[in-house]
Amino acid sequence: QLQLQESGPGLVKPSETLSLTCTVSGGSISSGSYYWGWIRQPPGKGLEWIGSIYYRGDTYYNPSLQSRVTISVDTSKNQFSLKVTSVTAADTAVYYCVRSDRGHFDPFDIWGHGTTVTVSS
Amino acid sequence: EIVLTQSPDTLSLSPGERATLSCRASPSISRSYLAWYQQKPGLAPRLLIYAISSRATGIPDRFSGSGSGTDFTLTISRLEPEDFAVYYCQRYDNSLWTFGQGTKVEIK
Repeated sequence: QLQLQESGPGLVKPSETLSLTCTVSGGSISSGSYYWGWIRQPPGKGLEWIGSIYYRGDTYYNPSLQSRVTISVDTSKNQFSLKVTSVTAADTAVYYCVRSDRGHFDPFDIWGHGTTVTVSS
Repeated sequence: EIVLTQSPDTLSLSPGERATLSCRASPSISRSYLAWYQQKPGLAPRLLIYAISSRATGIPDRFSGSGSGTDFTLTISRLEPEDFAVYYCQRYDNSLWTFGQGTKVEIK
């Protein structure tokens, strides 16, 4: 069964860059049937889609975050990554990596457990 | 602007009761790109419904989705204790994904 696991620093200083990696196990990231993405959830708030990537490298970003976000894929490691630049306290959140199923109207069918990132000096 | 508005914000019900959650879309959704998720405290969300009315793998049949255009509904026919949680609707439009703000179903 395919699983996703987020990894990266839990504490980032303001104005610095947040970097997270998602490792895909139990399946190949190079399957053409899926997008791979990131979603975040600030404490006590709702879900916000950050962006998604196709295994060939095609990227799609939330317009509200696009200027600060980069998502990349490494098919040799079966991983994809997120970078958010110039972070502030508003970027403090639980970050989830997700898979969306292109063959079934693109819902997020598999989620990682999530990793908490705090922006603080 | 693409928006999903869920109502009510909080639904207070007893186990065994029927829950009806609403999700209003602006602009309208022209194809079946509407999904529902359940989230319990401290856990990642779980896909319940995709393509408006299709249940995800392992989801009990007390959960059902319906709707079209701008108005969509998640119905839980008889609430079980494990169903008290927050529910989100989500739409997909040309490589953009958007969530509603969530509805909390709490025990009355």
